[in-house]
Amino acid sequence: EAQVTQNPRYLITVTGKKLTVTCSQNMNHEYMSWYRQDPGLGLRQIYYSMNVEVTDKGDVPEGYKVSRKEKRNFPLILESPSPNQTSLYFCASSPNPYRQELGANVLTFGAGSRLTVL
Amino acid sequence: AQSVTQPDIHITVSEGASLELRCNYSYGATPYLFWYVQSPGQGLQLLLKYFSGDTLVQGIKGFEAEFKRSQSSFNLRKPSVHWSDAAEYFCAVGAGGLTGGGNKLTFGTGTQLKVEL
Repeated sequence: EAQVTQNPRYLITVTGKKLTVTCSQNMNHEYMSWYRQDPGLGLRQIYYSMNVEVTDKGDVPEGYKVSRKEKRNFPLILESPSPNQTSLYFCASSPNPYRQELGANVLTFGAGSRLTVL
Repeated sequence: AQSVTQPDIHITVSEGASLELRCNYSYGATPYLFWYVQSPGQGLQLLLKYFSGDTLVQGIKGFEAEFKRSQSSFNLRKPSVHWSDAAEYFCAVGAGGLTGGGNKLTFGTGTQLKVEL
């Protein structure tokens, strides 16, 4: 089944304790991105990646890092989490958006990872 | 910069009644428009999308949406709501890779739908 898999789905941690949320897709997609969802704010893009070793900031990148060493994986790293990073996080992927092919501009989302930072 | 407004935070309808969720967008060119649904504790599921062509698009679960360029709107409709439609609905606009940011989507703040039996 074509899917985006995130882990962990739920995590409670404490301020300053480094954590990584993993994201993996099995659709051979080139484009991957991370969003955070907060009440009353909708979803906002944190980082995105156009391909392996190509990443760039989204709208709310502060406090986050990403890496894209392999095409299928795009982990989100919180080096020193703070309570304002308590949120629901979504990973998403798509084919190369610059290709003129069906589905190139449709994101497939993971199930979400709910993170609480105390 | 692109933006999306969903003016209704909460909507309550009776089962079997019709539904319309409003979405207005701001974008300088022809946008790529999406509606996603999020059931409690679940991820985002794509309901439908508009890229070009026929301005009335059909989606899954009996939903449809109409793109009105003159009103900058992309309202979601369903003729008869089922109790299982209770969820949060998000409208989103994207540039489709035509500008920096690849497939970045800008989301509205969502509309929570409650269905009364």
